[in-house]
Amino acid sequence: GAVVSQHPSRVICKSGTSVKIECRSLDFQATTMFWYRQFPKQSLMLMATSNEGSKATYEQGVEKDKFLINHASLTLSTLTVTSAHPEDSSFYICSARDGKVAGAIFTDTQYFGPGTRLTVL
Amino acid sequence: AQSVAQPEDQVNVAEGNPLTVKCTYSVSGNPYLFWYVQYPNRGLQFLLKYITGDNLVKGSYGFEAEFNKSQTSFHLKKPSALVSDSALYFCAVRGNGTSGTYKYIFGTGTRLKVLA
Repeated sequence: GAVVSQHPSRVICKSGTSVKIECRSLDFQATTMFWYRQFPKQSLMLMATSNEGSKATYEQGVEKDKFLINHASLTLSTLTVTSAHPEDSSFYICSARDGKVAGAIFTDTQYFGPGTRLTVL
Repeated sequence: AQSVAQPEDQVNVAEGNPLTVKCTYSVSGNPYLFWYVQYPNRGLQFLLKYITGDNLVKGSYGFEAEFNKSQTSFHLKKPSALVSDSALYFCAVRGNGTSGTYKYIFGTGTRLKVLA
């Protein structure tokens, strides 16, 4: 199956610093990538949809100036948490959308990265 | 409204017994439905999906799911559970995002515990 990597897997930083998380699709091209946040024992919360070559689309309540998303190529999207604070501590997961046309059917599956555990002290 | 419901927070099943994890959805148009599994401190792994065709979909690790349009359900099943199946399972449906894009709506997850 398709593989998505995420780096780093774990990061601890001081309050006020910025942290960049990379999401790569390793064996397919992803015009669309998604960034999610997951709180303990809760479901995934979609933060934003990242489209290659254009601005990300943020979900309601997500600060675009705080969570900067760049999707510069078909295999790489980055999420930068700017001026991180302890309340930004969370598990961040990216996914890449593999949309193919197989005959008359458009297949559409997200493949997820392994996640990044961010801890802000 | 677009939504996914997983009514059970946790499902316990004995090893070797069949398991079912329930999911119902609400979305306009023909649904694209997915099941994912998450192990501790890991991302989600794709199990299976329904887009069109047979209502019974077979996926990874012996899992299957049955699409029922009239009941708007997509329950995950496995004939014989393994202890290693213990994990958190998410059902998802593709819905409409902004500006003509798609977004994926996830259920709250069901923790499966398979007892030896």
